[in-house]
Amino acid sequence: AQKVTQAQTEISVVEKEDVTLDCVYETRDTTYYLFWYKQPPSGELVFLIRRNSFDEQNEISGRYSWNFQKSTSSFNFTITASQVVDSAVYFCATAQGGSEKLVFGKGTKLTVNP
Amino acid sequence: KAGVTQTPRYLIKTRGQQVTLSCSPISGHRSVSWYQQTPGQGLQFLFEYFSETQRNKGNFPGRFSGRQFSNSRSEMNVSTLELGDSALYLCASSFNSGDGYEQYFGPGTRLTVT
Repeated sequence: AQKVTQAQTEISVVEKEDVTLDCVYETRDTTYYLFWYKQPPSGELVFLIRRNSFDEQNEISGRYSWNFQKSTSSFNFTITASQVVDSAVYFCATAQGGSEKLVFGKGTKLTVNP
Repeated sequence: KAGVTQTPRYLIKTRGQQVTLSCSPISGHRSVSWYQQTPGQGLQFLFEYFSETQRNKGNFPGRFSGRQFSNSRSEMNVSTLELGDSALYLCASSFNSGDGYEQYFGPGTRLTVT
């Protein structure tokens, strides 16, 4: 069975600080996908990124970057120069290859203070 | 393109009643999934539909059911409501980009059972 662990329940930072959200996953599948979603107070889950298990390249999108390491089963998310608008709950998730069923971690609540 | 829409956004029901929630996927998306989000259990997969067929089902009692129509719109139904059914119900529509599925979520329906 798949499992995602987000050990950080809550993180609080001051604006402009860099912050890394940790994600550790468990799966027996050789083909799988990893995701990050952002959930602002409005409740909607906003898709941030999807990674497949064969692509360990790091990804950067503006202030966001992701580090995927199969050796440690981790898919960490870093926000550089955080802003108040980054305040939200962030979820890491995994899915088996060919499946649309997402297995989510418990989420990390990020608060960015001005 | 318009995003995923869910109706109603808020709902208050009494124990024992039943409820029907609706989801309209992004135009062109043929797959719809449903998730339940509660503070205690987090985000849990309910079921997934593709071309009017249920392809996957989560570990929920039979009181939870769903269906999909020919226009890809989906409904989920919860019968004999219990207090523990109070949750945010999220619908996601997805498409296969050729490198796996990408799921986009609606704003959710917040159900309160009293």
